[in-house]
Amino acid sequence: DTAVSQTPKYLVTQMGNDKSIKCEQNLGHDTMYWYKQDSKKFLKIMFSYNNKELIINETVPNRFSPKSPDKAHLNLHINSLELGDSAVYFCASSPRLAGAYNEQFFGPGTRLTVL
Amino acid sequence: DQQVKQNSPSLSVQEGRISILNCDYTNSMFDYFLWYKKYPAEGPTFLISISSIKDKNEDGRFTVFLNKSAKHLSLHIVPSQPGDSAVYFCAASDTGGSYIPTFGRGTSLIVHP
Repeated sequence: DTAVSQTPKYLVTQMGNDKSIKCEQNLGHDTMYWYKQDSKKFLKIMFSYNNKELIINETVPNRFSPKSPDKAHLNLHINSLELGDSAVYFCASSPRLAGAYNEQFFGPGTRLTVL
Repeated sequence: DQQVKQNSPSLSVQEGRISILNCDYTNSMFDYFLWYKKYPAEGPTFLISISSIKDKNEDGRFTVFLNKSAKHLSLHIVPSQPGDSAVYFCAASDTGGSYIPTFGRGTSLIVHP
């Protein structure tokens, strides 16, 4: 019973294609996130959703569109993929939006390779 | 603009000895700090945290120390075990403002048997 799951784990695709990554959490958390880990290894926040509502949208190209059909799911759709989108994408959730003692639970990551 | 810095990309330690992982931050508004541990092909998992009202927090073999004046925190693992070999991420957040944690780039710890 995985707490935060992502599919697929690996994604190899051509430039210009459109792809989606799915994320589900069974922890009953209110808040979900997407992070990107690039080649420099930093984990950078892309989006944050709270109760299906977009809260944070960092400076991410609008080719990236998150969708939250319900509190337990946060999917990431990427249009017109570019070489620079190659990275590991992590989904995460936390009990609530803000405050201390609010650690995040991460999924296993999706390694996206754009050829 | 790296607000959270882990300047040592890797650390090698003998089993049974102490591992000390360091983290520096620049944003004086950060008031909550976390350490995450990451194994290959897995997501980071929460390890230990500390609020800025404390200078030490201990959980079993893991202790985090916070020096607010120096904007520095460290994670001590005593004694180190081969299973501790992983990448350790330091993260910091401003719980009253932009509460999303900012992560460092991680330190890879290798514990030799």
